[in-house]
Amino acid sequence: QVQLVESGGGVVQPGGSLRLSCAASGFTFSSYGMHWVRQAPGKGLEWVAFIRYDGGNKYYADSVKGRFTISRDNSKNTLYLQMNSLRAEDTAVFYCAKSRGAECGSDSCKGGYFDYWGQGTLVTVSS
Amino acid sequence: QSALTQPASVSGSPGQSITISCTGTSSDVGGYNYVSWYQQHPGKAPKLMIYDVSNRPSGVSNRFSGSKSGNTASLTISGLQAEDEADYYCSSYTSSSTYVVFGGGTMLTVL
Repeated sequence: QVQLVESGGGVVQPGGSLRLSCAASGFTFSSYGMHWVRQAPGKGLEWVAFIRYDGGNKYYADSVKGRFTISRDNSKNTLYLQMNSLRAEDTAVFYCAKSRGAECGSDSCKGGYFDYWGQGTLVTVSS
Repeated sequence: QSALTQPASVSGSPGQSITISCTGTSSDVGGYNYVSWYQQHPGKAPKLMIYDVSNRPSGVSNRFSGSKSGNTASLTISGLQAEDEADYYCSSYTSSSTYVVFGGGTMLTVL
């Protein structure tokens, strides 16, 4: 069965960095795009980033563009999120989610939905 | 402020039907059939309930259905059950500078 296990969360000071990982199993990781979605305490879901199945296209929310970098290692079945210049408002549970239904051409992707989610990892940005 | 607009809360009695709306623009909900809905119980990860406007994944009850008209998508839950009490989020692909937008979420209370 599909499993997504996030790790790397913790407490970090404002301006600091953190790298999240998402270990995937139960499906052919290299065939699917992947997302990061976050949820601040008591708030709604916020999409963060998407990476194409082969890493060829990456998309970011305006709120994290230039600070966060999504990447993947298909040989290790692992998704990453490098987070730099962290702010208090980045405090959230971060979920990785498997994408399905996205249509990807040579230079862009569109569509898709999140068919499986991990249990999340908490990132707290505080001094 | 979320890109997609949902009511903050809805409620219904067991056995009744409720509908949750999700309003966007022609750049997202109205322009593509990439609307999906997610159920989230407290402390749990979201669960896919509807994809591509009206398709139900295997294992999801047929009491859940989705539709779309113009820039507004809707999730209908018929025959409400206590276990349906949860937060519900809509999501859509967007042709804007990002890729995906979520609604602010709707808390469903089963009275």
